[in-house]
Amino acid sequence: DAGVTQSPTHLIKTRGQHVTLRCSPISGHKSVSWYQQVLGQGPQFIFQYYEKEERGRGNFPDRFSARQFPNYSSELNVNALLLGDSALYLCASSLRLAGNTGELFFGEGSRLTVL
Amino acid sequence: GQQLNQSPQSMFIQEGEDVSMNCTSSSIFNTWLWYKQDPGEGPVLLIALYKAGELTSNGRLTAQFGITRKDSFLNISASIPSDVGIYFCAGLNYGGSQGNLIFGKGTKLSVKP
Repeated sequence: DAGVTQSPTHLIKTRGQHVTLRCSPISGHKSVSWYQQVLGQGPQFIFQYYEKEERGRGNFPDRFSARQFPNYSSELNVNALLLGDSALYLCASSLRLAGNTGELFFGEGSRLTVL
Repeated sequence: GQQLNQSPQSMFIQEGEDVSMNCTSSSIFNTWLWYKQDPGEGPVLLIALYKAGELTSNGRLTAQFGITRKDSFLNISASIPSDVGIYFCAGLNYGGSQGNLIFGKGTKLSVKP
């Protein structure tokens, strides 16, 4: 079975541009979370979606937005890119929201470089 | 905001050695998890702990949930080359969403030259 898939794997943007990152969860998983991992740091929570609704949001500016589609795939959008947005963006899926187990399945990430 | 302090930041192992790392927090967590990340990959769950004082093993890995709920440790016995990577502890807030994990900065495990 396919794991969590993310695209693109690498991309380069310039300051002020916009980026869209995509994620397909494991088949049957209804919850998708997004994390930002800056080099040398642990992942930091951005969003969680479950059944197409936002269920959690981390401490990120409004330039960051996301959505989940009926097939449970998800997009993360970042507007007006800053140099500090350069990071590995990780998508994680889980079977359900309830249970609070913290057991997430991560994709390989999208490496964003902002010049 | 909540922070997890993970130590050591890095360590070198020789095949066969035992390894210990730990994680502390100023806040209480009701769930502690340990993930491993290899270069170019996303983190992979190793062990999840759900009760204070719980000791859980996964093969050569053993982790404990501190009784104060503010710390956890991970031990790796008889290390092998594929143990190299970055190990992250993570805490899950009580009542938080499943995605609301707080991660430490990681312990990087490398092989002694």
